[in-house]
Formats: sequence, structure tokens, C-alpha cells
Amino acid sequence: DQQVKQNSPSLSVQEGRISILNCDYTNSMFDYFLWYKKYPAEGPTFLISISSIKDKNEDGRFTVFLNKSAKHLSLHIVPSQPGDSAVYFCAASTLGTYKYIFGTGTRLKVLA
Amino acid sequence: NAGVTQTPKFQVLKTGQSMTLQCAQDMNHEYMSWYRQDPGMGLRLIHYSVGAGITDQGEVPNGYNVSRSTTEDFPLRLLSAAPSQTSVYFCASSPRTQGRTEAFFGQGTRLTVV
Repeated sequence: DQQVKQNSPSLSVQEGRISILNCDYTNSMFDYFLWYKKYPAEGPTFLISISSIKDKNEDGRFTVFLNKSAKHLSLHIVPSQPGDSAVYFCAASTLGTYKYIFGTGTRLKVLA
Repeated sequence: NAGVTQTPKFQVLKTGQSMTLQCAQDMNHEYMSWYRQDPGMGLRLIHYSVGAGITDQGEVPNGYNVSRSTTEDFPLRLLSAAPSQTSVYFCASSPRTQGRTEAFFGQGTRLTVV
């Protein structure tokens, strides 16, 4: 059973437009959520995170929104740039553990 | 600062062979973990450790062993390699903090079992 789900395997967006990547989770004990970016032949790199006590966190062009009642989070990238083309993973963890459960990833392609 | 270092980067094994994937971190992180990445499956947790001498199973532990004798090293052992273990393996570490923090990943080991 997949506790963290990314239902869109791929997404294409024009340069300069907004990219929205979605993630759903089923475990209500999750209280910390992260987004990672992964380029081919590299390890995932941390992008942005959000605690369950917040519903929004911003870092430059990246904003993560959390809707706890819907068990849904999303990553907004504005404006999208060709260098943002990568696979994006969302991950979740629970207070008191250091286990990160990852989703299946969404491949973002930003078209120049 | 090297961060998380994985060796080897590539490996081909024959079915039934055993091998150890190495992982070392120089950030003095307490928590370390191993993931495998397969197409359409994302990153799945194999084993993790919250400190030297302490390990536990993740989502897909079968066929793998780990040990944590030092804070720096967390090797992953394949006891008898099977084609189903063909994957890209990532090691990660994170510090034990009061607040929440992210995991830092190595570059990965691409393993093919024939």
C-alpha cells in the first residue's frame, strides 16, 4: 500500500508559466513533508519542506501548500525555468521517527 | 565537505553472488538509511539506522542486511543477488535535531544482477 502517492507521472509546462506538482498521502500520522528534485545519474536533492502546523511555505520560486483535511500537498514553481526539468519526489515523515516515505515521482519538463 | 559517499557507482553481479554496497558520511549524522529506486516505484526504504549499533527494517528489507558499527558507515549487504534486486540504490543521512530536517543523499549505486 502506497502511503504517499504522486498520481501524475509526468508534466510539461512552458517556460515562464507555473508548474504545479501534486502529492497525496494516506497516513494521518505524517507531520512533516518534503519535496526533492532529482536529475539523471544524481542523488535526490532537498528542495523545500513544510510542517503540519503550517499550510504554506515559500522559498524563492518554490511554494509548498499543505491541506491536512484532504491529505494533499502541492509544489508550485513560478516562474518555471528549463533548469527545473527533473523528477520531483514528495516525501513524508512522522514526529519521533526519521523514516522518510517517498512518492513515485513526477517528471517535470519545462519547455523553452 | 564530501557529504554522503557511495561506492561503487556501478556494479554487475551474477545471480547468487553476494556483495556489499558502501556508504559513508562525514557530517556526523545520527540517522542513515538505504533506498532503492525502481521505475514507477519511486524511492523505497530498505533499512535504516538511528545510530551506531541500531538498525531497523524499512518497506522492502528482504534479501538485504545492514549493520552500523560506526556513526560514519552504513554498508548494505546483498546476501544472494537476484535479478529482482537490479535497481539504483541510494544512501541517505540526516542529523538528529529538535526540529525537522531533510535527508542528504549520495550519488547512487546502479546495480545490475544478471
